[in-house]
This record gives sequence, C-alpha cells and structure tokens, in this order.
Amino acid sequence: QTVVTQEPSLTVSPGGTVTLTCASNTGAVTSGYYPNWFQQKPGQAPRALIYSTSKKHSWTPARFSGSLLGGKAALTLSGVQPEDEADYYCLLYYGAAWVFGGGTKLTVL
Amino acid sequence: EVQVLEAGGGLVQPGGSLRLSCAASGFTFRSYAMSWVRQAPGKGLEWVSAISGNGGSTYYADSVKGRFTISRDNSKNTLYLQMNSLRAEDTAIYYCAKEPFTDFWGAMDVWGQGTTVTVSS
Repeated sequence: QTVVTQEPSLTVSPGGTVTLTCASNTGAVTSGYYPNWFQQKPGQAPRALIYSTSKKHSWTPARFSGSLLGGKAALTLSGVQPEDEADYYCLLYYGAAWVFGGGTKLTVL
Repeated sequence: EVQVLEAGGGLVQPGGSLRLSCAASGFTFRSYAMSWVRQAPGKGLEWVSAISGNGGSTYYADSVKGRFTISRDNSKNTLYLQMNSLRAEDTAIYYCAKEPFTDFWGAMDVWGQGTTVTVSS
C-alpha cells in the first residue's frame, strides 16, 4: 500500500515563508516521482501550481517554488499572501499509477 | 478558452453503473492526455484514472481497477469514465483534468468543476 504523507496543517503569518513537504513510504522522493503540487480553495476545483518537481505553470505566482528537500518533495511559499490560505496536495508517480498526499491545510494568520 | 466540462453524475444504487463524460473545448483534444480525479465528501483528492492522447495507454488506481474503464473519442473531443460495480466508497465529486502533455505525468493544468456521484440505496 503506497502512502504519501503531508503535514495535516500549517500556520504562517502574512509575509512569512512556509515549506510544505511530501513524503513517500517507499523511500526518498526523487525527481523520478515527478512531484506535482495543487492548490484547492473551499468549494473550488483544484488548481495546478508545480509540475515535475519545480516547473511552474504560466499562472503560478513567483512566490511559489518546488524542490526536493531531505528525501521529500517540497513546496515553499515565500512572502505568503492572505489569498494563499487553502489546501495543498502533492501528487507522486509510482510507475503507471499516481498517488495524492493527504493534503496540507495552510492557514494564514 | 480552454475548458473541460463534466456530466453524467447522479444517484446510483450499490452494484450499479454510471458513465461520466467530459467535453473538451479550446484546445486540440487528441494532443493531450486526460485524467479523472475524485474527492469524497470532506476528504482529499484521489487520482482515479488517466489516458494518453491517442488512447493507447490507460492507467488506473488500484481502488478502481477492474471496475472502471477510461476511454476517449477524439472525433467528439470527449473523455469518458465507465463505472461499474459501484460501491458506497465511490461516492465523490469526479473531476476531469487535462494534461499539458501527450502522455500523462500528473501535471493536470486544466480542471473542470466536477460532477457528483452518489452511491446509495
């Protein structure tokens, strides 16, 4: 059973920096897992932010960045804005199957 | 404008079947992989299935393998998800998503608003 683990919740102050992580129970996450990141606000469909570890979509704000950190995929928000309050999900590739993490609820307070 | 619009959700009894569709517009449908993602009430996202641009490659989550079938009609710009042997745990909002590549890598750059499937007696 493949399990992808994210922090259930994080709180950050406006203007601050926060890093969300994404771990796999199969071992260290590498670029071969093609980590993807999505943002979802209440009542809305998810929105893609990052693909293939660190690549941004054309609409992804510059304050969002993706990386690999300590055997995990990571999403860093620098200069957090109130509108960044949302649920964030990572998605990892496991050879013809993809698995979402449980999501991180980010509160901006 | 690039859009995908899901349809076909509804109430179905356990063991029943349902076919979801996703109409695409604003892009060359056959050039891009497509996928289905679901979200149970109050829960997180679950990847369900994906299909390559030409339909030659299909992928399924273990939870739906053998029960769900993904397909596409590139002449109609439409994606489908045939769901059989439905269970209560299949109750969810089902999202259709476009991939920015011919094969599926999970990037899913365009999402629909979802269609709700409820499995209950």
